[in-house]
Amino acid sequence: RKEVEQDPGPFNVPEGATVAFNCTYSNSASQSFFWYRQDCRKEPKLLMSVYSSGNEDGRFTAQLNRASQYISLLIRDSKLSDSATYLCVVKAEAYKYIFGTGTRLKVLA
Amino acid sequence: NAGVTQTPKFQVLKTGQSMTLQCAQDMNHEYMSWYRQDPGMGLRLIHYSVGAGITDQGEVPNGYNVSRSTTEDFPLRLLSAAPSQTSVYFCASSEYGGKSDIQYFGAGTRLSVL
Repeated sequence: RKEVEQDPGPFNVPEGATVAFNCTYSNSASQSFFWYRQDCRKEPKLLMSVYSSGNEDGRFTAQLNRASQYISLLIRDSKLSDSATYLCVVKAEAYKYIFGTGTRLKVLA
Repeated sequence: NAGVTQTPKFQVLKTGQSMTLQCAQDMNHEYMSWYRQDPGMGLRLIHYSVGAGITDQGEVPNGYNVSRSTTEDFPLRLLSAAPSQTSVYFCASSEYGGKSDIQYFGAGTRLSVL
């Protein structure tokens, strides 16, 4: 089993739709959780950290479920500019960040 | 703010050649790391450092060397390039032991080994 697993997609959704991604992780001692966005051939950029109580940033909501060992990302009112690959990142140990392979999202006009 | 700067952006090598990928950060971050990204795979950790003079291996260290003589710089050396090292390489930095463990990435180096 991979340490961090994501559905690779692609998720093709119309503008204005709501879309959700899940990511599962295997190490129950994982400390920190993040969603990064990566545009084609560019570097990953932080979208949001994920906190135990859940957190929201505009149209984006992240949730953490420690019991089931998954995190989720919800995007409301999708924009064309949301088209990208979304990377789930888990900090498993003090120095070790584990990346999922990413979920591709394409928002269609 | 420059953030994390990587050079070169593109490089083509012949099998057996050596080269150094440069990475510098101006955020006074103690933690720096090198990743490679291959199609269909997540970023994989090559080497990391938690401060000047301290480095350690990640998941895929073979064929690469690193050193950390200053807080700012963390170069990655390919000793004898192989086609299997064709990849996109990202350098990242973050605080260590501070309030934030968010990683900041450089723009990447696209390496082809022929």
